[in-house]
Amino acid sequence: EDKVVQSPLSLVVHEGDTVTLNCSYEVTNFRSLLWYKQEKKAPTFLFMLTSSGIEKKSGRLSSILDKKELSSILNITATQTGDSAIYLCAVLRYAGNMLTFGGGTRLMVKP
Amino acid sequence: SQTIHQWPATLVQPVGSPLSLECTVEGTSNPNLYWYRQAAGRGLQLLFYSVGIGQISSEVPQNLSASRPQDRQFILSSKKLLLSDSGFYLCAWKRTGTGGHEQYFGPGTRLTVT
Repeated sequence: EDKVVQSPLSLVVHEGDTVTLNCSYEVTNFRSLLWYKQEKKAPTFLFMLTSSGIEKKSGRLSSILDKKELSSILNITATQTGDSAIYLCAVLRYAGNMLTFGGGTRLMVKP
Repeated sequence: SQTIHQWPATLVQPVGSPLSLECTVEGTSNPNLYWYRQAAGRGLQLLFYSVGIGQISSEVPQNLSASRPQDRQFILSSKKLLLSDSGFYLCAWKRTGTGGHEQYFGPGTRLTVT
């Protein structure tokens, strides 16, 4: 059975801090790992990672995959209150139509 | 561009009553469609997915069912709701074939069973 574990469960930081969120997985025939941000309703897509060691970046957010360690990290630099959300990690396997999600990390950024 | 709609946005139903949640997608053809449930702001649990009209795969046995009567319409139903059915229900779509791996989510329906 595919398994995705995210840590920490929750995190409280102050504006300007840098945070690192972790995602580890156990999945047969791994194809890709995806990160989503969920503020109040629909999760919105952030990154998709398929290759080890190649950083994806969007503004203050960046993410990298380590296939050897079966994990990924999501970094947010210079955090802002608008970064407060649940961050979800999911994996997709080859020949599969389904994403397996982790339990999420709840990030709260205080002013 | 593609958009995904869900309704209703919120719903309060008594135990034992029926349920029908609807999801429609615009701007794409033959998408994969998914129903998820999210409890208490945590991770997403996949309930059903569909790769085409009339084709439904169930991931978790429960008193819910899904149907796909049209290419871009996905319906989640129950004949008799349980208290444990309360939660946030999300519909998602994904391109088929060699399209991207990402799924795109609708705004969700918050269901409270009383």
